[in-house]
Amino acid sequence: KNEVEQSPQNLTAQEGEFITINCSYSVGISALHWLQQHPGGGIVSLFMLSSGKKKHGRLIATINIQEKHSSLHITASHPRDSAVYICAALYNNNDMRFGAGTRLTVKP
Amino acid sequence: GAGVSQSPSNKVTEKGKDVELRCDPISGHTALYWYRQSLGQGLEFLIYFQGNSAPDKSGLPSDRFSAERTGGSVSTLTIQRTQQEDSAVYLCASSLVGRYTGELFFGEGSRLTVL
Repeated sequence: KNEVEQSPQNLTAQEGEFITINCSYSVGISALHWLQQHPGGGIVSLFMLSSGKKKHGRLIATINIQEKHSSLHITASHPRDSAVYICAALYNNNDMRFGAGTRLTVKP
Repeated sequence: GAGVSQSPSNKVTEKGKDVELRCDPISGHTALYWYRQSLGQGLEFLIYFQGNSAPDKSGLPSDRFSAERTGGSVSTLTIQRTQQEDSAVYLCASSLVGRYTGELFFGEGSRLTVL
């Protein structure tokens, strides 16, 4: 069983919609990463956070340590946001575990 | 270089052959990681380098897999006697200092297909 669970597995949205992708992890972590993987395969780091909320442009990442849960939000989604979004939890023993990813398709 | 560079980007090989995959991390990055991503699966950790040493190679799936890093820079992942289940995208990442301290920078990956 993967120690990092993401939902949904696949998500299709219309351009302009507000998107939420969820990530839950099993035990205490020191940091959580959100990554974006484009169709060509390249992975880009979006956020690294250990508490609270971070915002970059139309992307917002939040984490709730008590509930062991993080969300990635995309406001005013655009077709170029179409990608696989991956959550990765850095556990206290310096072991990083990756979720299986959420495939987002934004239609014009 | 400007980013993490991996080669080849695609490799098709026959079962039983050996393959070498190369990773050139961002200049000055001391930490280097190899991952494997099978179709529809999450990233699977293979090995971590700090400088030229590999303090954690616990993710290597069998003794057919090995990796080395020279000059604190380029790393090579070698798979001997490839099997069909080795087919996957092999991703390399680097970070500036110690293990997972700071942002990870990924390469584009090497897609390996074993026929």
